[in-house]
Amino acid sequence: LAKTTQPISMDSYEGQEVNITCSHNNIATNDYITWYQQFPSQGPRFIIQGYKTKVTNEVASLFIPADRKSSTLSLPRVSLSDTAVYYCLVGPSGTDKLIFGTGTRLQVFP
Amino acid sequence: DADVTQTPRNRITKTGKRIMLECSQTKGHDRMYWYRQDPGLGLRLIYYSFDVKDINKGEISDGYSVSRQAQAKFSLSLESAIPNQTALYFCATSESSTAFYGYTFGSGTRLTVV
Repeated sequence: LAKTTQPISMDSYEGQEVNITCSHNNIATNDYITWYQQFPSQGPRFIIQGYKTKVTNEVASLFIPADRKSSTLSLPRVSLSDTAVYYCLVGPSGTDKLIFGTGTRLQVFP
Repeated sequence: DADVTQTPRNRITKTGKRIMLECSQTKGHDRMYWYRQDPGLGLRLIYYSFDVKDINKGEISDGYSVSRQAQAKFSLSLESAIPNQTALYFCATSESSTAFYGYTFGSGTRLTVV
């Protein structure tokens, strides 16, 4: 699985847009980019996945440039409830197991 | 009821004791996983099982053992608990060869070894 690099932590205020960038220089042709969210004392949950260009759902948007060596998770107008750790994972669809890095700890302030 | 249930939710045990963490699922998934999370760190894979006859070691299997009693049940044992096994433990499930979004995690078991 491709190695990923994310910022350790980020701070924001309610109502702001938050962009978390993940670097994955060794991404393979058949790799997908997936983001999970983990609230304190809960297990991670899937939020978004993409292969190229842009993907948007009701929670977030994922921007992937043409070279796919990085990706950006965008959270529009964050609220206090978006305070969580966000993990970027890269690997082929149908992967045998999830391997997590340390993630990005997002703290949203009022 | 939760799709993936872990018991107990919290446990304090003494060094040297044997302890079992249990996981059961109603998702009907074939694959089950045990992860460990230490404060400020990501999740690390301990063991995983693709079906009842299949057990695989993960990144940090030393000091742990598992049992897949049925498709729906996957237990993690610490044969002789030590303080550095104090952590938050998560069970997860997935369908065979699922995409990344197909994983479901339990709510975790907080284990303290004193």
